[in-house]
Amino acid sequence: AQTVTQSQPEMSVQEAETVTLSCTYDTSESNYYLFWYKQPPSRQMILVIRQEAYKQQNATENRFSVNFQKAAKSFSLKISDSQLGDTAMYFCAFMKLYMIKAAGNKLTFGGGTRVLVKP
Amino acid sequence: NAGVTQTPKFQVLKTGQSMTLQCAQDMNHEYMSWYRQDPGMGLRLIHYSVGAGITDQGEVPNGYNVSRSTTEDFPLRLLSAAPSQTSVYFCASSSDGGLFFGEGSRLTVL
Repeated sequence: AQTVTQSQPEMSVQEAETVTLSCTYDTSESNYYLFWYKQPPSRQMILVIRQEAYKQQNATENRFSVNFQKAAKSFSLKISDSQLGDTAMYFCAFMKLYMIKAAGNKLTFGGGTRVLVKP
Repeated sequence: NAGVTQTPKFQVLKTGQSMTLQCAQDMNHEYMSWYRQDPGMGLRLIHYSVGAGITDQGEVPNGYNVSRSTTEDFPLRLLSAAPSQTSVYFCASSSDGGLFFGEGSRLTVL
């Protein structure tokens, strides 16, 4: 079974600065996806960024970027130019890529990191 | 574009009562799933479906039942509610990689 660990329960950052969230995972699989989800106080789960394990290039989405280290099983998220609207819980998640449809798309989540952006 | 719609958003039950959380998606996704979120933890998979008529258990299936009669709908049934089922429930759908979540349903069992 896969496990996902987020070692930082809470982080704070000043507006316009950069914050990096850490995530490590344990798996024996070679084909998988990794995700970061944002959960603001509204409770909605919002997909921030996705990384395919077979891709060496780190994914980026506007102010959000990842540092994917496959050998180290590490997947950190960097938020640049932090904005007040970035205040939220952030969850790292793992999904194994199955070759058969019946296995489904199952996410394994870390425990989350609460990010507070201060004005 | 509604995406994934869950109802109700809030519900209070007494121990032993039954209820159904509704989930509908309008994206024609084959894959749908239910997760629960407890304080201090990430989401955990309850049940999932890879298409109409096909369901299977996730990590924490006990006390829950699901069915998938259409591509659009995937209801979650609590057969006899227990206080341990107090949680926030999320429905999600996906076509390939990356799940889209509903807004969540907060359930309290007294």
